Amino acid sequence: QTVVTQEPSFSVSPGGTVTLTCGLSSGSVSTSYYPSWYQQTPGQAPRTLIYNTNTRSSGVPDRFSGSILDNKAALTITGAQADDECDYYCVLYMGSGISVFGGGTKLTVL
Amino acid sequence: QVQLVQSGAEVKKPGASVKVSCKASGYTFPSYAIHWVRQAPGQGLEWMGWINGGNGNTKYSQKFHGRVTITRDTSAITAYMELRSLRSEDTAVYFCARDPRTLSSGWGFDYWGQGTLVTVSS
Repeated sequence: QTVVTQEPSFSVSPGGTVTLTCGLSSGSVSTSYYPSWYQQTPGQAPRTLIYNTNTRSSGVPDRFSGSILDNKAALTITGAQADDECDYYCVLYMGSGISVFGGGTKLTVL
Repeated sequence: QVQLVQSGAEVKKPGASVKVSCKASGYTFPSYAIHWVRQAPGQGLEWMGWINGGNGNTKYSQKFHGRVTITRDTSAITAYMELRSLRSEDTAVYFCARDPRTLSSGWGFDYWGQGTLVTVSS
């Protein structure tokens, strides 16, 4: 069974840029996986940042961008702020109606 | 504006079933799919399945196949997720979420319900 992989944790300095990735245990991620990205603070529903690789969800600032980098989906955050510190999840569409979440990345801003 | 409003918290005994509802507003319900996602305490998000809001076709994660049924009532503009044979490991917050892709699925989720806590305990 293919696993969706994310960095368990990452840190970034305030004002800095960070790129989180979303890969496959076997194979490469392409736009055909329609990668999407979500932000979640404890106790809250997830917030959609990016869907269909690089489409920003309504109200999401352009500090957040999605792409494919080195055979992985990528979420880049520029100008990191304190309230960007939370968990980030990716989802890949595996075909045949099946979607799979990555394990999530805990982002620290310090 | 698009809104998904879920039913309230539930407490169930092992072996029982639970049915969570997700009422949609602010968009054409039959044009979009609704997915169900859950999150156990302290754990990550887990995709369970989805339903086509128009024709009612469904697809489920293999993990839940046989225990979960997702339905919708277009007149009530509501989707439902029923999970059977509950066990303690099913204690989680259950979310519904809309797929942004019209008349199909696979683009992820754009709008989310507020979540419903289901506690399974004897």
